[in-house]
Amino acid sequence: QPVLTQSSSASASLGSSVKLTCTLSSGHSSYIIAWHQQQPGKAPRYLMKVESSGTYNRGSGVPDRFSGSSSGADRYLTISNLQSEDEADYYCETWDSNTQVFGGGTKLTVL
Amino acid sequence: QVQLVESGGGVVQPGRSLRLSCAASGFTFSSYGMHWVRQAPGKGLEWVAVIWYDGNNKYYVDSVKGRFTISRDNSKNTQYLQMNSLRAEDTAVYYCARGSRRDGYYMDVWGKGTTVTVSS
Repeated sequence: QPVLTQSSSASASLGSSVKLTCTLSSGHSSYIIAWHQQQPGKAPRYLMKVESSGTYNRGSGVPDRFSGSSSGADRYLTISNLQSEDEADYYCETWDSNTQVFGGGTKLTVL
Repeated sequence: QVQLVESGGGVVQPGRSLRLSCAASGFTFSSYGMHWVRQAPGKGLEWVAVIWYDGNNKYYVDSVKGRFTISRDNSKNTQYLQMNSLRAEDTAVYYCARGSRRDGYYMDVWGKGTTVTVSS
């Protein structure tokens, strides 16, 4: 069963960029992951899936300020030109043997 | 537009039962696997169960096996989560989420959630 590891928190200034990381456990570095955003008090929202090749596919309506990439067992979510509404929790998700797994989430603060 | 609307949450005593519903619209419900995900107060997301597009395959997180049952009625574009023998640790917001393909896969549409509180 894969395990996803995320930093608990991150911060960046308004208008800057930030790169969040989701690390797959050993033996699972080829897995696809999905990124989800959860703004305070709201339901999660699907952002994109990211493949091991670095190919990513944004969900409907997701701004192109959000992009994905990959390196080895790491999957990244980069947010450019940070806006105040980007302050949220970000979760990565993967799946194996009909079981879904979430990372612990990263709380992003926009300064 | 694509939409998922949960209902059925509430306050229930330990050991009692509750059934959640999730009404889908804006897409061909019978073509997608469907998930339930929960979030305890102040905690992260926890996957609960998945049901494939035709209802013939169902999978659960270990902590709810034998107590929760996921089902769907494709004629009503609705999925359900029957929760029996509820415990305090089942207290959470329960989200319905669409899988991105017939066997579930990653979640690409989320509902707004319904709150379940298990307390005496």
